[in-house]
Amino acid sequence: DAGVIQSPRHEVTEMGQEVTLRCKPISGHNSLFWYRQTMMRGLELLIYFNNNVPIDDSGMPEDRFSAKMPNASFSTLKIQPSEPRDSAVYFCASSPRTGDNSPLHFGNGTRLTVT
Amino acid sequence: EDQVTQSPEALRLQEGESSSLNCSYTVSGLRGLFWYRQDPGKGPEFLFTLYSAGEEKEKERLKATLTKKESFLHITAPKPEDSATYLCAVQGGSYIPTFGRGTSLIVHP
Repeated sequence: DAGVIQSPRHEVTEMGQEVTLRCKPISGHNSLFWYRQTMMRGLELLIYFNNNVPIDDSGMPEDRFSAKMPNASFSTLKIQPSEPRDSAVYFCASSPRTGDNSPLHFGNGTRLTVT
Repeated sequence: EDQVTQSPEALRLQEGESSSLNCSYTVSGLRGLFWYRQDPGKGPEFLFTLYSAGEEKEKERLKATLTKKESFLHITAPKPEDSATYLCAVQGGSYIPTFGRGTSLIVHP
């Protein structure tokens, strides 16, 4: 079990540029979550998918953020255009399913810095 | 709206000095309360799930307890390797976890 894999680990970009974060969930897990972590606000849920379908994106800050899950083994979170206030650590997590009490399995995150 | 408040924000202990971390919560229909450990530069790692008031779970030097309004993570005789941020999360009717901001624990040798 390789765990949840995120790439890149670090991303530094200039304001206005497009940023794409990638996630490979654990094989067989049907639910995928994107969280953002900052010192001020802690871990905030951005969006989650169940069986590749977006279920709740109410946490996505604004239209500059979009997420896709084209298949069970891959998801992307895109920010366009990026702004300095988007600087944070972005985590992807997966679980076997929603609707029960399965804990989340987190990747090691992507640290995004927007200058 | 589910809410989780953790205290203290930061805690410094000497090796062997036992203490407790607090997680206060409000949730509509608790499905589960989770404790995670997060090391610097890593994602949170699952420790425990508690389901109902009165339940306790133990793992090495850690023991988690649950009441109807809060949970405690007791650390007995901590070691430097217990240094980490400990996160609490609650899961209500939506089954989507809401996290607290965590307690940063440093254990000095």
